[in-house]
Amino acid sequence: GAGVSQSPRYKVAKRGQDVALRCDPISGHVSLFWYQQALGQGPEFLTYFQNEAQLDKSGLPSDRFFAERPEGSVSTLKIQRTQQEDSAVYLCASSLDSPGGYFGPGTRLLVL
Amino acid sequence: QKEVEQNSGPLSVPEGAIASLNCTYSDRGSQSFFWYRQYSGKSPELIMFIYSNGDKEDGRFTAQLNKASQYVSLLIRDSQPSDSATYLCAGPDGKTSYDKVIFGPGTSLSVIP
Repeated sequence: GAGVSQSPRYKVAKRGQDVALRCDPISGHVSLFWYQQALGQGPEFLTYFQNEAQLDKSGLPSDRFFAERPEGSVSTLKIQRTQQEDSAVYLCASSLDSPGGYFGPGTRLLVL
Repeated sequence: QKEVEQNSGPLSVPEGAIASLNCTYSDRGSQSFFWYRQYSGKSPELIMFIYSNGDKEDGRFTAQLNKASQYVSLLIRDSQPSDSATYLCAGPDGKTSYDKVIFGPGTSLSVIP
């Protein structure tokens, strides 16, 4: 595709519900990052994949957060038993071989 | 202490003026820095990167890196209302072996017509 795509663009969840956020990176991009961005803040790192390998998950806030990229392309970020503090924009970025990747449009999650 | 710091603003400049955005960082070993622009409700867009000391110019944008003082700045000449956005500074996380960047909180810029 022409750029990074994410779905859904908006998600409203009731507290306690599980959600799954999808990221389609630019074709051929090896690196894939997930970030969480709260209102008025910069993106906060969640996790990093190099192809299908999850090399860094140090930014995941709790064990309710889980990410995968089984075939080295599409990635899914799953949040179990959502809490109100999970409300944020979740951004995915991909890059080929350099830092400063290309961001997708984000998924805006609101937990009620 | 956060590793990348920015003045959150808001910074207001009149149309046609020079907007100066600053960023400081704590990792002395950092080699490269990035400036992203983020319009309200949109995702960050990479507009400049700089790897070496000194200035790098791209159109109306100039990035300046001073490794000795550990700061990086972005100058926007002839500011336009369309430049109104949040500008995010990002630098490398020196604790990882891969290309992980840490973002600052962003500076909100408003260009007044």
